[in-house]
Amino acid sequence: KNQVEQSPQSLIILEGKNCTLQCNYTVSPFSNLRWYKQDTGRGPVSLTIMTFSENTKSNGRYTATLDADTKQSSLHITASQLSDSASYICVVITLGGYSTLTFGKGTMLLVSP
Amino acid sequence: NAGVTQTPKFRVLKTGQSMTLLCAQDMNHEYMYWYRQDPGMGLRLIHYSVGEGTTAKGEVPDGYNVSRLKKQNFLLGLESAAPSQTSVYFCASMWTGRQSNEQFFGPGTRLTVL
Repeated sequence: KNQVEQSPQSLIILEGKNCTLQCNYTVSPFSNLRWYKQDTGRGPVSLTIMTFSENTKSNGRYTATLDADTKQSSLHITASQLSDSASYICVVITLGGYSTLTFGKGTMLLVSP
Repeated sequence: NAGVTQTPKFRVLKTGQSMTLLCAQDMNHEYMYWYRQDPGMGLRLIHYSVGEGTTAKGEVPDGYNVSRLKKQNFLLGLESAAPSQTSVYFCASMWTGRQSNEQFFGPGTRLTVL
């Protein structure tokens, strides 16, 4: 069964600190992986997409990595801000496309002043 | 562009009542989806549509029906609401079915069934 596991479930960090969120998946065949940010009471918004051939991709203070061999991805947040407080969801898409997205349960990040 | 909008934002139903959730998108997207999000669980696909007049079942379709009469609208219906359907419902749309395309999500509808 296709699965996406995220860790930690929740995390509290001080403003200005860095953090790394993890995503392990067993989805096959793999097409690409997205990280979404979901603010409380809002819908998810895409942060970055990783394809099979990409190892690292940055979007401002967010850097995603992908190791397709070990089926692991990480999202690194640099110099955290209060506005980074949100749930971060890892989504893996298979080659089936539109109906075959597998969502992780998310990591709830709280950035404390 | 408003993007993806959902109506209503909140609703409380009694067991057995029916209701329809409306999703609208103004991006001319072909694909539309309905998900539910429950505490401690990832988003789960209820139904989806790959074009006007077409719908298909997702992972958790029981108790729900959908219709896509117009390209820009995707309706989710609950014929006889049950407490197990208490959840936050998200609609999403996507330009095409290519795997690299991004799903755009609406703000959600919080439904409580008593």
